[in-house]
Amino acid sequence: DVKVTQSSRYLVKRTGEKVFLECVQDMDHENMFWYRQDPGLGLRLIYFSYDVKMKEKGDIPEGYSVSREKKERFSLILESASTNQTSMYLCASSQGQGVSYGYTFGSGTRLTVV
Amino acid sequence: AQSVTQLDSQVPVFEEAPVELRCNYSSSVSVYLFWYVQYPNQGLQLLLKYLSGSTLVKGINGFEAEFNKSQTSFHLRKPSVHISDTAEYFCAVRAYGGSQGNLIFGKGTKLSVKP
Repeated sequence: DVKVTQSSRYLVKRTGEKVFLECVQDMDHENMFWYRQDPGLGLRLIYFSYDVKMKEKGDIPEGYSVSREKKERFSLILESASTNQTSMYLCASSQGQGVSYGYTFGSGTRLTVV
Repeated sequence: AQSVTQLDSQVPVFEEAPVELRCNYSSSVSVYLFWYVQYPNQGLQLLLKYLSGSTLVKGINGFEAEFNKSQTSFHLRKPSVHISDTAEYFCAVRAYGGSQGNLIFGKGTKLSVKP
């Protein structure tokens, strides 16, 4: 089974801190995604990547950046954390061009910014 | 562009009763359709998907969904629910053909199964 591992389940950070959320997948998937999930808003796409060193903005990229130096790892960076970035963050991966493959999700990181 | 509407944000139901979670989509091109489930404090897990062929799709845990092109719907059903089905359910759509298309998710339906 494909595994998508997010390094932390729960994080508490202070306003203004630089925050790194790490995601690793073990099945050589080309595509990786970062979502945030908020009550009543569903999943909103922050950034995605179709290849190493490649990134594309999703629907809500402001205040975030990403890094994909290796195929298996996709990092989400909060440059200066703010309280409105308190949320559940979900990482996902999928096989390359094959639409028949769904996304495989990690267990999520619940981030609280105080 | 595609969009997904999940018509109910919350669905309470008693154990062993049938349930239907509604999903409608909008798209100018043909689409693939998915249902995901999220148990408390977990990530999303694929329940089932419609790619082509038979419009009735069976998934894990006894769930099934029916693709209705004329009504642009993909409703999820289970004839008899269990307490363990309590979770949030997400419908998603993806365009096919052409370049990569990302999954577009609905806002989710929280299913609460009561004893």
